[in-house]
This record gives sequence, structure tokens and C-alpha cells, in this order.
Amino acid sequence: EAQVTQNPRYLITVTGKKLTVTCSQNMNHEYMSWYRQDPGLGLRQIYYSMNVEVTDKGDVPEGYKVSRKEKRNFPLILESPSPNQTSLYFCASSSSRGETQYFGPGTRLLVL
Amino acid sequence: GESVGLHLPTLSVQEGDNSIINCAYSNSASDYFIWYKQESGKGPQFIIDIRSNMDKRQGQRVTVLLNKTVKHLSLQIAATQPGDSAVYFCAENMDDYKLSFGAGTTVTVRA
Repeated sequence: EAQVTQNPRYLITVTGKKLTVTCSQNMNHEYMSWYRQDPGLGLRQIYYSMNVEVTDKGDVPEGYKVSRKEKRNFPLILESPSPNQTSLYFCASSSSRGETQYFGPGTRLLVL
Repeated sequence: GESVGLHLPTLSVQEGDNSIINCAYSNSASDYFIWYKQESGKGPQFIIDIRSNMDKRQGQRVTVLLNKTVKHLSLQIAATQPGDSAVYFCAENMDDYKLSFGAGTTVTVRA
């Protein structure tokens, strides 16, 4: 089954404790992206990747890092999480530029 | 800045009626638009898309209309069913790699 998977689905952590949210897709998509979703703000793009070893900032990149060492994986790294990063995070992928993005199930993060 | 927005945050519809969800965009250079449906506890799910060289596109029970003159996008759902209750987002392709989303419209279907 073609899908985008994220882990963990739920995470509670404390301020300053580094964490990584994994994202994997099995569709051989070139393009992958991370979004955060907050009430009343819709989805905002954090980072995106056009292909292996090629990444760029989205609208709200502060406090986040990403890497793309393999085509199928695109982890989101929070080096020192803060409470304002409490949010619902989505990973998405698409086959190429300008094509429909398919979303993962989401990761709900609470930073205390 | 330029953004995509939905006209109404909520919409209540009687089961069996048609639903119309509206979206305004401001970037005249955008050439690709997508509607997503998000059910509670799930990620956004693709419904239908349209490119700027089209005015209308139909899917199964859904139709998207694009009016480039007034920068307006709408999603029509025919014979709305309880399973259509969800949050609906329009998204605009700002450039080849970036999607800009509206805040969403919550659709509630009344039995």
C-alpha cells in the first residue's frame, strides 16, 4: 500500500530535550515536506526537500532541522524543543514539482 | 503578504443537500490549486485539484470551480453525506515546491 508513515504518532517531552520525528514514504517520491498545524493557522510549511541531499526552508523553519540522506526518509529534528513547538506535525510527499502532495497521519507533540 | 483564505470557518449542511465551500486567493501567478479533506485525527487527504488553464473539474460527487478573474476557488459536494463531515482546506501552489494553505472550513452534516 502506497503511504507516508510517521513515528511517533504522539510524543510528550520537556523543554530542551532533543527529539526526532521520522517520516518515510514508499512511493519513490522525490519531493518531501514537513508542515505544522495549529488552530486557526492552517498548515504551515517548515522545510522541504526536492531530492536526496537537497533541502530548503519553508515558512516557519526556526527551531527545526531536517536531513535527506535517503530518498524514502525525511526526519524532522528539534535540537532544543520549546513549548511554542507544541503542535501537530505532518509529513508529505509528491512525485515531482507541482504535483499533489500526500500526507502522513500526523505526529502530535507536546513540549512541557 | 499573499495568502489563501477561506470565506467561512464553519458550514452546517443538511444531509442530502449540496455543499459549497469557498476560497479566495491573492497570488495571480499561482497555477495549481488543490482541495484537501481532513477528518478528525487524520492527515489531509487529497480530494481534487485544478490547474489554472481550466475553469472547472469534476470528480466523484465533487466539483471544483476556478474563477481567475476574481481569484476565487470553490468546492461543491453533491448530496452531502455524514461521511463528508470534516475540515476542508484549499491550497495554492505558490511555486513549484511550496503549497500555501488556508485556515480551513469545518463542515458539519446534519441528519
